[in-house]
Amino acid sequence: EADIYQTPRYLVIGTGKKITLECSQTMGHDKMYWYQQDPGMELHLIHYSYGVNSTEKGDLSSESTVSRIRTEHFPLTLESARPSHTSQYLCASEQGMDGNTIYFGEGSWLTVV
Amino acid sequence: KNQVEQSPQSLIILEGKNCTLQCNYTVSPFSNLRWYKQDTGRGPVSLTIMTFSENTKSNGRYTATLDADTKQSSLHITASQLSDSASYICVVSDRGSTLGRLYFGRGTQLTVWP
Repeated sequence: EADIYQTPRYLVIGTGKKITLECSQTMGHDKMYWYQQDPGMELHLIHYSYGVNSTEKGDLSSESTVSRIRTEHFPLTLESARPSHTSQYLCASEQGMDGNTIYFGEGSWLTVV
Repeated sequence: KNQVEQSPQSLIILEGKNCTLQCNYTVSPFSNLRWYKQDTGRGPVSLTIMTFSENTKSNGRYTATLDADTKQSSLHITASQLSDSASYICVVSDRGSTLGRLYFGRGTQLTVWP
């Protein structure tokens, strides 16, 4: 069982609102990721972090920002939500070198109206 | 271009039957290949991880195979159960260091009918 948690699970907000999606893991993993996934489509990397105070943008252009002030916490913020941001956002974490298991949270479903 | 293609896109089988899902990739240099199970509305859960030197790995009723020469992998599910209904995602890594990345397939949507 993965100890990685996302809140909220479901959220409906209005256009222009600011929203922060929370992600926490209690496994002490140094690597954390945010993916965006539309129904029936592949996951796209939007942000990643290899440790505290380390954040990078992923492959998919995103208007979101992230921070990594603590090892266990990796929140994602949308300053001004738009309908095009409607999607599922998945947080993941991994320990150490390549080849270890990547654990995913349950996801946050965001709908912007 | 590094890509991961999965087939079929969707599959319906009867409970108790076996099935095989396919994954073809063009990712290079290859590091490892993972299969994940994703229930509807949930996050993916790891089933298997295989490196270049491994050609088969099992996890209960799930058996993954890898042919690194032809860049193909398959996931075989034995004696399917209703709870196997999910999307199965193939993920290929080109990482040999911390600076690499993962390539995701779109998944095969499996439905198991009673």
